[in-house]
Amino acid sequence: DTEVTQTPKHLVMGMTNKKSLKCEQHMGHRAMYWYKQKAKKPPELMFVYSYEKLSINESVPSRFSPECPNSSLLNLHLHALQPEDSALYLCASSPLRGSNQPQHFGDGTRLSIL
Amino acid sequence: GENVEQHPSTLSVQEGDSAVIKCTYSDSASNYFPWYKQELGKGPQLIIDIRSNVGEKKDQRIAVTLNKTAKHFSLHITETQPEDSAVYFCAASQNQAGTALIFGKGTTLSVSS
Repeated sequence: DTEVTQTPKHLVMGMTNKKSLKCEQHMGHRAMYWYKQKAKKPPELMFVYSYEKLSINESVPSRFSPECPNSSLLNLHLHALQPEDSALYLCASSPLRGSNQPQHFGDGTRLSIL
Repeated sequence: GENVEQHPSTLSVQEGDSAVIKCTYSDSASNYFPWYKQELGKGPQLIIDIRSNVGEKKDQRIAVTLNKTAKHFSLHITETQPEDSAVYFCAASQNQAGTALIFGKGTTLSVSS
C-alpha cells in the first residue's frame, strides 16, 4: 500500500467543469509534487511545493491551479480543461525539497476530459 | 539540460532468468539515480536508488550499478518472477535547487512462467 493517498481514483469531467484532485501524506515530508503521466510515457513534473510554498512551476497552463493548505495536503484545482489534459495525475512527496531526495508516489487520479 | 536514455524499451525473459536494464545520462553534475517500478493501474514505486559516491547497491534480488566515468547506470534483477512484470523507469537528478528528476522513457519487462 502506498503512503501517499490520492482521491478520487478516477474522474470524468466536461471542459466547462471545475473539479479538484486531492493528495495526502502522513510521513512528515516537507516537499510535495504534482506530475502528469500520459500512457506509455514517463511522469512529467508540473509543480513542486516546499514547506507549503510553490517553488517550481514547469510552465503549466493556468487552467491547473495547485494549492498546499498544510504540510500534509496538496490539491490540484482544475478548470476549463482540454481533451489533451486527459492523463494520470500523480502526487509525490519527499523528505525535503531537492531532487536527490527519494520521492514516493501515490497511485494517481485517472482523469478523462469529455 | 539533463537527458536520460533507457534501453531496451521492452524486455521478455523466462521466469528464473536475469534481467538487465541500462540507462545513460548526459550531465556529469547528476548525482542521484533512482529506479521506479510501475504496475498497471498503480503509481511508480521506488525500488532502489544510488548516489554518485557509491558504485553498486543491492537489495535482495535487485541491484544497481553506477559508472560515473561512462555516465551509465544499470538495474539488475536476478531470479525473475512473474510479479516482476511491470514498467521500469530510471531517473537522474542533481543536488541543486530548482532541478527535477529526469526520467528515462521506460522499459516494459515481461516475465513468463
